[in-house]
Amino acid sequence: DTGVSQNPRHKITKRGQNVTFRCDPISEHNRLYWYRQTLGQGPEFLTYFQNEAQLEKSRLLSDRFSAERPKGSFSTLEIQRTEQGDSAMYLCASSPEQYFGPGTRLTVT
Amino acid sequence: GQQLNQSPQSMFIQEGEDVSMNCTSSSIFNTWLWYKQDPGEGPVLLIALYKAGELTSNGRLTAQFGITRKDSFLNISASIPSDVGIYFCAGRSDGSSNTGKLIFGQGTTLQVKP
Repeated sequence: DTGVSQNPRHKITKRGQNVTFRCDPISEHNRLYWYRQTLGQGPEFLTYFQNEAQLEKSRLLSDRFSAERPKGSFSTLEIQRTEQGDSAMYLCASSPEQYFGPGTRLTVT
Repeated sequence: GQQLNQSPQSMFIQEGEDVSMNCTSSSIFNTWLWYKQDPGEGPVLLIALYKAGELTSNGRLTAQFGITRKDSFLNISASIPSDVGIYFCAGRSDGSSNTGKLIFGQGTTLQVKP
């Protein structure tokens, strides 16, 4: 499978816990994006990497969120001290054209 | 900030009917993309438009990039049950100072009655 993959597909966590998601982009795609999608809405941009450099962060990305792409290949998105408002689908996309992964559905109880 | 207005919000049609949906923006985009999303899955790219006035087809789907660069539409001809899903438009501003992030519309939910 040469598409974008994301793990886990689903995550249920208790408020206050930390969670980490992983995205494996299409190989050789140097651009990687994270988006968040809540029910009934379109995806909203969170952050962008070109290779290992994080070049843009949305105002949606509070200081509890951190993203990395250490070797310019896979990326991780960590949420610390989760809140119920963090419940959403977290999507990863790689470019040059933005192909999306299946997403990680986060539920914070 | 930039916003996309997508309409209609939902459609319920009979199998075999044609469907049309559109997206308008307050800002100019250099690229328009149309995606389809099934429940619990990520958006799947259907059509990409790169030039104002461009008309592009992908099977039964046809999309156009408006000449003002502030709008786009998607048509689906002869709908079938598997067309059910949520369709999103997305705009992108390209160029050396842009990161290529997408701005999405709110989506059009399509239901097809067999």
